[in-house]
Amino acid sequence: EAGVTQFPSHSVIEKGQTVTLRCDPISGHDNLYWYRRVMGKEIKFLLHFVKESKQDESGMPNNRFLAERTGGTYSTLKVQPAELEDSGVYFCASSRAGQGARNEQFFGPGTRLTVL
Amino acid sequence: AQKVTQAQTEISVVEKEDVTLDCVYETRDTTYYLFWYKQPPSGELVFLIRRNSFDEQNEISGRYSWNFQKSTSSFNFTITASQVVDSAVYFCALRGTSYGKLTFGQGTILTVHP
Repeated sequence: EAGVTQFPSHSVIEKGQTVTLRCDPISGHDNLYWYRRVMGKEIKFLLHFVKESKQDESGMPNNRFLAERTGGTYSTLKVQPAELEDSGVYFCASSRAGQGARNEQFFGPGTRLTVL
Repeated sequence: AQKVTQAQTEISVVEKEDVTLDCVYETRDTTYYLFWYKQPPSGELVFLIRRNSFDEQNEISGRYSWNFQKSTSSFNFTITASQVVDSAVYFCALRGTSYGKLTFGQGTILTVHP
């Protein structure tokens, strides 16, 4: 069974540009999460999808961030326009449906975003 | 609000030493789950263990063991006879009753020297 995959692994862009990160969860996982780790600090929650619906987007920093999950499969996270403080590692995770609090989340390798 | 504190930013040990990584948490939920993840140099977060708030039994898995104490809100992780391959960043995390987001600590960088 393939794990969570993320693309690209690294992205270097200039301030003001747009970047789109992609996450492919484990097949059959209804729950999909985005997290971010900035400058060696703690990993922070961004948002949670259940299938194609946003269950919780309380961690999204501002309206420059837009997440979608078309058809309840893969998800994209777009940053437009990117700012310097958006630099960090963006992780995606997925988990099975039901008993959500108990199920462990499986993480992807992350996308390292650098905004110059 | 939930909070996880990993007070040890970096730990350095020599191979075969035992090492304990501390984790202290705060939550108002009566039911919650605690996790440990390992982040090796390759970058992905690897799930190590889940513990629910009703189960305070310590757990051992090979060289790894976990000590959960509700009285002190701690969920510490011990590696016995450490090996170079244990070098990684270790994260403690908490999830409350509203299933979904994990609250992570800042991580502890463990370096095991040969």
